[in-house]
Amino acid sequence: QVQLLESGGGVVQPGGSLRLSCAASGFIFNNYGMHWVRQAPGKELEWVGFSRFDGSKESYRDSVKGRFTLSRDNSKNTLFLQMNSLRAEDTAVYYCVKDVQVAPTAMGFAYDLWGQGTVVIVSS
Amino acid sequence: SSELTQDPAVSVALGQTVRITCQGDSLRSNYASWYQQKAGQAPVLVMYGKNNRPSGIPDRISGSSSGSTASLTITGAQAEDEAEYYCNSRSSSGTQVLFGGGTKLTVL
Repeated sequence: QVQLLESGGGVVQPGGSLRLSCAASGFIFNNYGMHWVRQAPGKELEWVGFSRFDGSKESYRDSVKGRFTLSRDNSKNTLFLQMNSLRAEDTAVYYCVKDVQVAPTAMGFAYDLWGQGTVVIVSS
Repeated sequence: SSELTQDPAVSVALGQTVRITCQGDSLRSNYASWYQQKAGQAPVLVMYGKNNRPSGIPDRISGSSSGSTASLTITGAQAEDEAEYYCNSRSSSGTQVLFGGGTKLTVL
């Protein structure tokens, strides 16, 4: 079955850390760029960051640079998001998403597979 | 604030045609993708590239682009089309991905 399954969300105090995981199945994981997209309660979608299909490059939105780190283990079909120095404004549902294109040369922005999301709440 | 601008809300009578737009400078050099999100669910890709529809998306949904504006058109809107619609695109620099603020479509 083609799916993405996120885990690792929870409640954390400001300044704390969380590590999200995304387990992929049903497709050749190391052929696709992967991203994290988040959505604060009642708000629009917001791109967080990108991992190139081979793990050779990451990109991040400005507000998380230096705090968040994307990585992937292609041998285990898993994407990670290490989140440090968390702020209240990082509170959101975090979605793991897959590029529609195989091994693109540029960062993709068409996401044809979404996980169910994992909730991150940053609160004291 | 988003660098892709969408109308917050649009309504359409059942069976009629509606166009949802997305404006931004990055669209002059990049196509938009479009997503449908229903309450409590993850978004679903409904259109990408020049006019590519993923498998399972009805052909009453189409996309177009002109200058800095991308459009999603639903011809013969159905009750099940009622949802929030988001556009996205690569930034002009190519280093970020932008999302629009979303358009809530109501089918009357």
